[in-house]
Amino acid sequence: GENVEQHPSTLSVQEGDSAVIKCTYSDSASNYFPWYKQELGKRPQLIIDIRSNVGEKKDQRIAVTLNKTAKHFSLHITETQPEDSAVYFCAAPNAGGTSYGKLTFGQGTILTVHP
Amino acid sequence: GAGVSQSPSNKVTEKGKDVELRCDPISGHTALYWYRQSLGQGLEFLIYFQGNSAPDKSGLPSDRFSAERTGGSVSTLTIQRTQQEDSAVYLCASSVLDEQYFGPGTRLTVT
Repeated sequence: GENVEQHPSTLSVQEGDSAVIKCTYSDSASNYFPWYKQELGKRPQLIIDIRSNVGEKKDQRIAVTLNKTAKHFSLHITETQPEDSAVYFCAAPNAGGTSYGKLTFGQGTILTVHP
Repeated sequence: GAGVSQSPSNKVTEKGKDVELRCDPISGHTALYWYRQSLGQGLEFLIYFQGNSAPDKSGLPSDRFSAERTGGSVSTLTIQRTQQEDSAVYLCASSVLDEQYFGPGTRLTVT
């Protein structure tokens, strides 16, 4: 099965700075890499995802990069704002197994943006 | 449209009791997933339903846990003889392709 490692576990930045969260995965067959944001007491929500046929994807202040050779992908948030404070989870599918769509999640990164 | 819904939102039960947690997925979503999130932890996969295929139960932590999905829609997660370590938020998600949409979760507290 897939193994996903996420770093750092906590990240504190000043408003306006950039934040980067990194994840590594073990299954070279994995082809879909989503990032979820979970605000305190709320459900996880997809913020961006990337497929293995591209190396980078951007959506306003957030971007995700993928290095399939090294089996790692990263979330980049620029011009951070206090409302970006949340727990961020990366994930990768168990594509090599029999259950397409089942996700293995990283342990999460608590991002705090100080005004 | 309506998102994924779960009930109850909170459940407090005594150790040894059985509990049932319900998930209503987004209409038309063929895949349904159950995850468990302990305090300050990540999401732990429990079980996955895809259409009419046999469910993937590989994440269920013990035989006290079971789930069913009736008519390809509503799902119920049952925990028998609850233990204190079962205390967590149980999240349901549904999808039609890759993107999984999560419900608000059921916070289970076993006393």
